[in-house]
Amino acid sequence: AQSVTQPDIHITVSEGASLELRCNYSYGATPYLFWYVQSPGQGLQLLLKYFSGDTLVQGIKGFEAEFKRSQSSFNLRKPSVHWSDAAEYFCAGDTGGFKTIFGAGTRLFVKA
Amino acid sequence: GAVVSQHPSWVICKSGTSVKIECRSLDFQATTMFWYRQFPKQSLMLMATSNEGSKATYEQGVEKDKFLINHASLTLSTLTVTSAHPEDSSFYICSASPYGEASYNEQFFGPGTRLTVL
Repeated sequence: AQSVTQPDIHITVSEGASLELRCNYSYGATPYLFWYVQSPGQGLQLLLKYFSGDTLVQGIKGFEAEFKRSQSSFNLRKPSVHWSDAAEYFCAGDTGGFKTIFGAGTRLFVKA
Repeated sequence: GAVVSQHPSWVICKSGTSVKIECRSLDFQATTMFWYRQFPKQSLMLMATSNEGSKATYEQGVEKDKFLINHASLTLSTLTVTSAHPEDSSFYICSASPYGEASYNEQFFGPGTRLTVL
């Protein structure tokens, strides 16, 4: 069955430290892959997406993600976290039939 | 560009009443709109997909008679929760895509509507 897995329910990092949020997917073929951020009580904002081509994808707010086919992963990274980055992050996959599958989400806490 | 709005942002209603939530694409025509439900501290679950002018396609387990979806124009979709009960309380999020199913599937999300049924 198709799935998107975010192994970490929550992560705490210090402000200024680097961040990596994990995402693994299970699809028959390489899906379109997305990372979204959701602030409390808000909808989702697209951070970045991967469709094909360069496996290192740059997004907004200083985020990037790397697609690794061999590991079925699409991890999100940021070199220096800001307090305003505290939010819920969702990885999602879609094989082109508008059946987007979201991971369970990772809550990011940023400590001063 | 690609802004999606929802109205209302939150609503409280009595059990047994119906509630309508609107989703509008403000600066593009949305060929396809989606309705998601999100329980506290959980992920989004797709409820249904609607294409303008046609009936919505509901995901397995979603009661189509309870969650009525209308996509009457290219910029507006509505979700009506009929005879709402406390278990329908949730965060409902819509999204819209300017593309048809054959295209790549980028969705633009609305800010969500918090429904509380007393």
